[in-house]
Amino acid sequence: ETGVTQSPTHLIKTRGQQVTLRCSSQSGHNTVSWYQQALGQGPQFIFQYYREEENGRGNFPPRFSGLQFPNYSSELNVNALELDDSALYLCASSVLAGSHEQYFGPGTRLTVT
Amino acid sequence: AQKVTQAQTEISVVEKEDVTLDCVYETRDTTYYLFWYKQPPSGELVFLIRRNSFDEQNEISGRYSWNFQKSTSSFNFTITASQVVDSAVYFCALSEEANNNDMRFGAGTRLTVKP
Repeated sequence: ETGVTQSPTHLIKTRGQQVTLRCSSQSGHNTVSWYQQALGQGPQFIFQYYREEENGRGNFPPRFSGLQFPNYSSELNVNALELDDSALYLCASSVLAGSHEQYFGPGTRLTVT
Repeated sequence: AQKVTQAQTEISVVEKEDVTLDCVYETRDTTYYLFWYKQPPSGELVFLIRRNSFDEQNEISGRYSWNFQKSTSSFNFTITASQVVDSAVYFCALSEEANNNDMRFGAGTRLTVKP
């Protein structure tokens, strides 16, 4: 069984640029959630995708957007990067939408300068 | 709105000691779910347990045990006979049935187990 994978591992961008992060869900999982984890803090929910549709969103501005593909992999896009966007971005997959066991990937460390 | 508080920022113990990590939560929902995750230095969150609000039975899994008390809104985690490999940041999290895709995490407790 293949676990959740994310790419890239690390990324450095300049303020104002755009970034795309990628996530492949665990085999058999149709739901993907994205979280932002600032240094020294717990993860914060960005949004969830279930069967290619957004299924809930946290308190993040519209410049954070996402996609889920037919194979259930997902992308997180962030436009107009700000310094505060520097964080570890975690992707998690689960068998069903909602409050089920979520299995996390290793994350993408984004640094905005 | 739901909230999770982990008052212990850092804990340091010596190997073989028992340690309890505290978690207090707030929610207005009668149906909710509580979780514990472990985050080792590699960064990947590892699922440990999920408990729904109707199941107050304590659970034991090897050296790990969890004490869920609705009366005090707490869901504490105990590691018995700690080992160096237990060193990590541990997060408690909560999601409400009414908004069950939004999992709220506490700030985490960094546990260091010294040999």
